[in-house]
Amino acid sequence: EPEVTQTPSHQVTQMGQEVILRCVPISNHLYFYWYRQILGQKVEFLVSFYNNEISEKSEIFDDQFSVERPDGSNFTLKIRSTKLEDSAMYFCASTTPPGETQYFGPGTRLLVL
Amino acid sequence: RKEVEQDPGPFNVPEGATVAFNCTYSNSASQSFFWYRQDCRKEPKLLMSVYSSGNEDGRFTAQLNRASQYISLLIRDSKLSDSATYLCVVTPFSGGYNKLIFGAGTRLAVHP
Repeated sequence: EPEVTQTPSHQVTQMGQEVILRCVPISNHLYFYWYRQILGQKVEFLVSFYNNEISEKSEIFDDQFSVERPDGSNFTLKIRSTKLEDSAMYFCASTTPPGETQYFGPGTRLLVL
Repeated sequence: RKEVEQDPGPFNVPEGATVAFNCTYSNSASQSFFWYRQDCRKEPKLLMSVYSSGNEDGRFTAQLNRASQYISLLIRDSKLSDSATYLCVVTPFSGGYNKLIFGAGTRLAVHP
């Protein structure tokens, strides 16, 4: 069964550093998403991406964040100048019409020290 | 008011029990509704979609009441493997390609 993959599974970084989280969505999917989940809290939407541009972003997704689909398979989330409060699990998801199901990757656990 | 509200639990039930989870949502224009399951430190996985007519999948039954903005999930004959956090999820617009709005989840622990 096709699946969404994410790398790395864990990332530890120093406050102020830049991190890039990588995702490989399911190959025939066209819509891509990033969500985050701070420990003990709910899953929160960050951004959706379609046709090589952002289709929607949340208030959390400020200028510190950016997304990119650098090639036909990868979808990346870049966090510039990380803060302590960026520590969370980051999930990538993808879907394709006409289906409604968003398939989630296993997540990247980011710890900012 | 939270967009999606759930009782956080935990619900501690013996194997074989029937357990019901409830959820309310604030946006009356919400279009699609789901129950996801999340195991500890894992990704959310779709359990089932929820329709106004109600739907059943084996031991799981989901109901939607649009007038009350209320969603429910019933689990019959609970198994140890049902232990997880159950997430109530809505989407604000029609079409399946838009963001998911998650509740904080209800934790279920099934014991022998």
